[in-house]
Parts: sequence; structure tokens; C-alpha cells
Amino acid sequence: DAGVIQSPRHEVTEMGQEVTLRCKPISGHDYLFWYRQTMMRGLELLIYFNNNVPIDDSGMPEDRFSAKMPNASFSTLKIQPSEPRDSAVYFCASTGDLVSGANVLTFGAGSRLTVL
Amino acid sequence: AQKVTQAQTEISVVEKEDVTLDCVYETRDTTYYLFWYKQPPSGELVFLIRRNSFDEQNEISGRYSWNFQKSTSSFNFTITASQVVDSAVYFCALRTNTGNQFYFGTGTSLTVIP
Repeated sequence: DAGVIQSPRHEVTEMGQEVTLRCKPISGHDYLFWYRQTMMRGLELLIYFNNNVPIDDSGMPEDRFSAKMPNASFSTLKIQPSEPRDSAVYFCASTGDLVSGANVLTFGAGSRLTVL
Repeated sequence: AQKVTQAQTEISVVEKEDVTLDCVYETRDTTYYLFWYKQPPSGELVFLIRRNSFDEQNEISGRYSWNFQKSTSSFNFTITASQVVDSAVYFCALRTNTGNQFYFGTGTSLTVIP
């Protein structure tokens, strides 16, 4: 299993530009989470999906952020327009059955975003 | 409300010393799951252990051991004979059966000095 795949690993962009981060979860995992990590705020949950449906997006900071999951093997997190304060590492994570207790979040390697 | 507290922000130890990372959690749920993750300097988050609320047995895996005490709502992590490769940020996390969120602590940054 290739694990959770994120791209790009690094992104440097200028303020005002659109940024799209991509994630491929582990095959068969029904849950997908997007987290943001900064020194100041630690790991923050932005949004999570179950069976491709967004369940809780209360962590999305503002309307500039949007996330989609068009199918079970792909999700995007988009920031438009980007701002310097969006600079962070964005992690995608997936897990399978949360009911049975065999729930372990598997994280991708992260996408480090720098907005100049 | 669910909460995880890792009061130790940074710890430095000399190689071969033992070190314990503290984790205190809050939940009113009777069924919950506790986790430890390691984030080495390379940045990825690596799963270390999961513990269910109904299983208070301590666990040992090589130099790593975990002490789960429901009476004090703690799930502490001990590294015996620390090594430089143990240098990382360690996160404790909680999930309950009433929600699907994983609640992470703020992490403890461990530096092992050779």
C-alpha cells in the first residue's frame, strides 16, 4: 500500500494566487481529513469527509478555503485567494471503519505552503 | 467537550536517559481511543500506538512503553535509553465514539542530545 499521497510537497506562491492541494487516500478508507499545522496553532482540523460527503467543515477558516472529494480516491483543498497567513503545512489523513474501533489515522507526508 | 493536554512543550535529555512524555485527556464518554503519533524532523506524522478505554493494560514495545491510567485520565509515554533518532515532536490524540474527530494535543518536542 502506497499510503496517503499528497501533492505538491512544497508550494511557494504569491499573495492572491489560487492554491490547490491534492490528496489520494488509502484505498478502502471511508474517511478523509484535512489538517493544517502551524507553530502558533498546532494541528487544526479543517474538514473531514465520509464516503466523499463533507461532514464537518467548521474548521475551515473562511470562504477563501474550499474542499472537495469528487470520488473515493481523490480530494482537493483549494485556497483562493491565498494570503501570507495561510502559510502552513497541510496534512491529509484517512482512516477506515470508525465504528469498530479499528480507527487509526494515517497521514500523508504533508504539503508545505508558503505564501509570499 | 473533548480535550488533550500535553503540558510539556519542550524536553531535552542526554542520550541513554529515560524520558516520559505526559498526556492528560478530558472526555465524558465511556468509550474512547487514545493515540500517540511521532513527527520527526522530516515532517511526516507516524502512528505509534492506539489504546481503547476499556483496556488499561500497559504496553511495551522495545524501548517504548505506555502507561494508561483512567483514574488520572492520563496516557503517558516513556522512552527508555533514549537515542538521537527519538528526537521528534510527539502528539497525543483522543477520539470518542460520539464523534468522528480526532483531538490532538499541542505536542511535546523532544531533543535527545548525543
